[in-house]
Amino acid sequence: QQQVKQSPQSLIVQKGGISIINCAYENTAFDYFPWYQQFPGKGPALLIAIRPDVSEKKEGRFTISFNKSAKQFSLHIMDSQPGDSATYFCAGGSTLGRLYFGRGTQLTVWP
Amino acid sequence: NAGVMQNPRHLVRRRGQEARLRCSPMKGHSHVYWYRQLPEEGLKFMVYLQKENIIDESGMPKERFSAEFPKEGPSILRIQQVVRGDSAAYFCASSPSDEQFFGPGTRLTVL
Repeated sequence: QQQVKQSPQSLIVQKGGISIINCAYENTAFDYFPWYQQFPGKGPALLIAIRPDVSEKKEGRFTISFNKSAKQFSLHIMDSQPGDSATYFCAGGSTLGRLYFGRGTQLTVWP
Repeated sequence: NAGVMQNPRHLVRRRGQEARLRCSPMKGHSHVYWYRQLPEEGLKFMVYLQKENIIDESGMPKERFSAEFPKEGPSILRIQQVVRGDSAAYFCASSPSDEQFFGPGTRLTVL
């Protein structure tokens, strides 16, 4: 059973546009929700993370929105740039425990 | 502070041989996680270790796979008698508490 479901599988956005990736989780015990960015041939890099006690967290052009009652969270990339083209993974888990990853979203930003 | 280091970066083995993957966590991190990634898929948890202890190995196949994190030296993921289905990218992550920082991965190819 997929503990974290991610959509869309792929996303194409114009330069300067907003990229939105959505995730839903099953386990209400999860208390930590990170997003990772991965370029081909590289390891995932931690972008931003949120805990359920806040509804939104912003770091630069990246924002996580969190809806605890719906068990959903999303990543917004403002002013998307070609350099943002990568695969993005959401994840959920508990502190000091395994992370359950979504299947990834391949983002392409056209110049 | 150097990031998580993994070696080798690429490993080719013939069916039936042993594969040994190494992971050196970031300085000060006492928690190590191993994940496996198949093409076009997210990361799947394998095992979580602290120094000299296996905390959670629920994601690791019962046979042929083992992991350790000794008091001195890197964490080791060992795959005995490799089969073609073991071909994947293996990532380790280290953590001081909840944030997990990934290494560049070892890409294992089984011929």
